[in-house]
Amino acid sequence: DADVTQTPRNRITKTGKRIMLECSQTKGHDRMYWYRQDPGLGLRLIYYSFDVKDINKGEISDGYSVSRQAQAKFSLSLESAIPNQTALYFCATSDFNLRDTQYFGPGTRLTVL
Amino acid sequence: KQEVTQIPAALSVPEGENLVLNCSFTDSAIYNLQWFRQDPGKGLTSLLLIQSSQREQTSGRLNASLDKSSGRSTLYIAASQPGDSATYLCAASGFYNTDKLIFGTGTRLQVFP
Repeated sequence: DADVTQTPRNRITKTGKRIMLECSQTKGHDRMYWYRQDPGLGLRLIYYSFDVKDINKGEISDGYSVSRQAQAKFSLSLESAIPNQTALYFCATSDFNLRDTQYFGPGTRLTVL
Repeated sequence: KQEVTQIPAALSVPEGENLVLNCSFTDSAIYNLQWFRQDPGKGLTSLLLIQSSQREQTSGRLNASLDKSSGRSTLYIAASQPGDSATYLCAASGFYNTDKLIFGTGTRLQVFP
């Protein structure tokens, strides 16, 4: 089984809908991240969390919110989806003690019509 | 603000060729520099991580170098194989915030038989 899983893997939705992307990890890591990837722009950090009670905004947090329900679960929500949020979304984890390396999930391809 | 650039954006080579992928960064105050591989439908896989105090790291046919003074890192792939076909991303970690990775836009590599 994969160490970092993301659901759903693909999602098509309409403008204005609320969407939640979920991430779970079995690595026992304390730190979790959400990125989005757009063609020609690389990956950009949306939010990151050091533990359940410590959540931080990344480079492009506007229009997004997150919830760290447990050490192993980190969800990303789009409160009111818009077309320019169409992208590939990745969750990643890292260990404080081995904080240098981040482990990525397989990604969620989101299309907002 | 750190900016990471990768050149070329795409590269196509015959099997067996040695090749070099380039990564440039604007702020030399980095904690580390990582190289990732991205395959379609899959997440990113960490290949090599070079700490700021190191000059290079090697893993199998891969060798990554780091020159902070010139703001450059290179990924050398020896005896390329079709299985090396993927997108290669470099990412710089900030010296004062090691959790924030700044990614380049990637080099798409195709190795043909």
